[in-house]
Amino acid sequence: DGGITQSPKYLFRKEGQNVTLSCEQNLNHDAMYWYRQDPGQGLRLIYYSQIVNDFQKGDIAEGYSVSREKKESFPLTVTSAQKNPTAFYLCASSSTQGPETQYFGPGTRLLVL
Amino acid sequence: GQSLEQPSEVTAVEGAIVQINCTYQTSGFYGLSWYQQHDGGAPTFLSYNALDGLEETGRFSSFLSRSDSYGYLLLQELQMKDSASYFCAVAGNTPLVFGKGTRLSVIA
Repeated sequence: DGGITQSPKYLFRKEGQNVTLSCEQNLNHDAMYWYRQDPGQGLRLIYYSQIVNDFQKGDIAEGYSVSREKKESFPLTVTSAQKNPTAFYLCASSSTQGPETQYFGPGTRLLVL
Repeated sequence: GQSLEQPSEVTAVEGAIVQINCTYQTSGFYGLSWYQQHDGGAPTFLSYNALDGLEETGRFSSFLSRSDSYGYLLLQELQMKDSASYFCAVAGNTPLVFGKGTRLSVIA
């Protein structure tokens, strides 16, 4: 079964804490993306990566960091610098031949304690 | 930059037809994608139009007019399970840019 997995489903962050959201795909896709979704809003791009060991900032990268050490994995760290982290975080992947078709993971809902 | 406009909410009756419009402003336009997202779920890909005209996939069709910077998603024979948010997204020389979504409510 090919797909994208995200963990955990729910994550709680204490003030001043960094937390890492996991994203793994076995679709053999080169490109991976992280989006943030707030209630009633669209998807805003945080970071994306089109190849291993390379990534680019999206529209709202401040307070977030990523790494792409393996093709299958694209973890997102929400740092303490992100003052309003409560949101639904979605990871996606696509082939470089078909970037218009993105496949999404089930999402992680981050809540602040 | 890129921007997209789509209605925030639409309500339609079960069995009817509904059209969700999307207008966009962008540079480096390749095509228009549509995604469906049920509450609490992940977006799923519905369709992609790179060329002008209508693309049909079962009950769903998508249309693009590049000269008018306009597209729409047409849902026929509406079912209750079609209640969801629908996003248009512009494909260009940057990653997909998503609209804010249209919440479709199907009523009996």
